[in-house]
Amino acid sequence: AQSVTQPDIHITVSEGASLELRCNYSYGATPYLFWYVQSPGQGLQLLLKYFSGDTLVQGIKGFEAEFKRSQSSFNLRKPSVHWSDAAEYFCAVRNPGGYQKVTFGTGTKLQVIP
Amino acid sequence: DVKVTQSSRYLVKRTGEKVFLECVQDMDHENMFWYRQDPGLGLRLIYFSYDVKMKEKGDIPEGYSVSREKKERFSLILESASTNQTSMYLCASRTSGAAFDTQYFGPGTRLTVL
Repeated sequence: AQSVTQPDIHITVSEGASLELRCNYSYGATPYLFWYVQSPGQGLQLLLKYFSGDTLVQGIKGFEAEFKRSQSSFNLRKPSVHWSDAAEYFCAVRNPGGYQKVTFGTGTKLQVIP
Repeated sequence: DVKVTQSSRYLVKRTGEKVFLECVQDMDHENMFWYRQDPGLGLRLIYFSYDVKMKEKGDIPEGYSVSREKKERFSLILESASTNQTSMYLCASRTSGAAFDTQYFGPGTRLTVL
């Protein structure tokens, strides 16, 4: 069965600093990979997704993620964090050949300090 | 602009009550989903539907049922609410086809069962 691990429950960064959120998945082949963001009181919004091809994926709001097959990772990065990036971030995985089911990680809550 | 709406943002019910959570999407999507979100557990899939009148159990279907009589509407039913069903409930929809593999989420319903 597929699974997703986000090892960091909570991360605090200073505004303007760089950010990396970790995501590791467990799946036999290359799955579809996603990062979603949830702002306080809101539903989830897709930041970016990876299906195949270029392993560096660009998303909205200046985020990018890199798929590393050898490490079973799909880490999210941003070179310079803004206060508005404070939110909870979820990594997710889907079996490309199977059901519609998407498995989500437990989330990383990002705090941005001035 | 894509839109998923949920009937209530906040709901307070008593133990044993029958509870209906409604979700409507205006994107003509085939697939709809109900998730439950709890701190430290991320999002867990309760049920999903890939067509009108079709449904599949997710990871935690116990204590819940669903109804999809029309393509745009997907209802989650708690037959007899219990305190352990206090949670945030998120509805999502997506179209079929890998090229459009994005789930669109509603804002969520925070349910409290007393």
